[in-house]
Amino acid sequence: AQSVTQPDIHITVSEGASLELRCNYSYGATPYLFWYVQSPGQGLQLLLKYFSGDTLVQGIKGFEAEFKRSQSSFNLRKPSVHWSDAAEYFCAVADSGYSTLTFGKGTMLLVSP
Amino acid sequence: GAGVSQSPSNKVTEKGKDVELRCDPISGHTALYWYRQSLGQGLEFLIYFQGNSAPDKSGLPSDRFSAERTGGSVSTLTIQRTQQEDSAVYLCASRLGPGLGEEQYFGPGTRLTVT
Repeated sequence: AQSVTQPDIHITVSEGASLELRCNYSYGATPYLFWYVQSPGQGLQLLLKYFSGDTLVQGIKGFEAEFKRSQSSFNLRKPSVHWSDAAEYFCAVADSGYSTLTFGKGTMLLVSP
Repeated sequence: GAGVSQSPSNKVTEKGKDVELRCDPISGHTALYWYRQSLGQGLEFLIYFQGNSAPDKSGLPSDRFSAERTGGSVSTLTIQRTQQEDSAVYLCASRLGPGLGEEQYFGPGTRLTVT
């Protein structure tokens, strides 16, 4: 069965600084990988996804993620964080049929002025 | 257009009572999911409906949990004899179809508190 590890429970970043959120997955075949964001009181919104092809994936709100098979990682990055990026971020992996998603436990991003 | 809606937004119930949580998916979406989000535990898959196929119930934690989907649209998640450990946010998501490129759209969730 697939699994996802997000090693950082909380991260604090200064506004304007760069951001990297870590995600490691475990899955035997080619994974389908996702990053979601959950703002306070809101549902989850898809930031980006990787199915195949180019390992650097661009998403919404200026986010990108890089799939590294050798490291079983799919880290999320943003070059300059805005205060509105403060939220909880979830990495997820789908099974081969993409019927269900397995989520990590999330990383809470705090943005300091 | 309208997104996924869930009701109620908050539910407080006494231990041992039954509760029903409702999900209205996006119109035309054939796939519907229920997840549970407990504090510090991320999202846990509960059940998946796809069209008229038998649902994937592999994530339901006990036989106190059940769900149905009527007419291929609205879904109800029922928790019988609620326990304090059932306190969580229950999220519903829908998807246009089973195709690889189809995204899951999430509702705002129902926060369940069992006292």
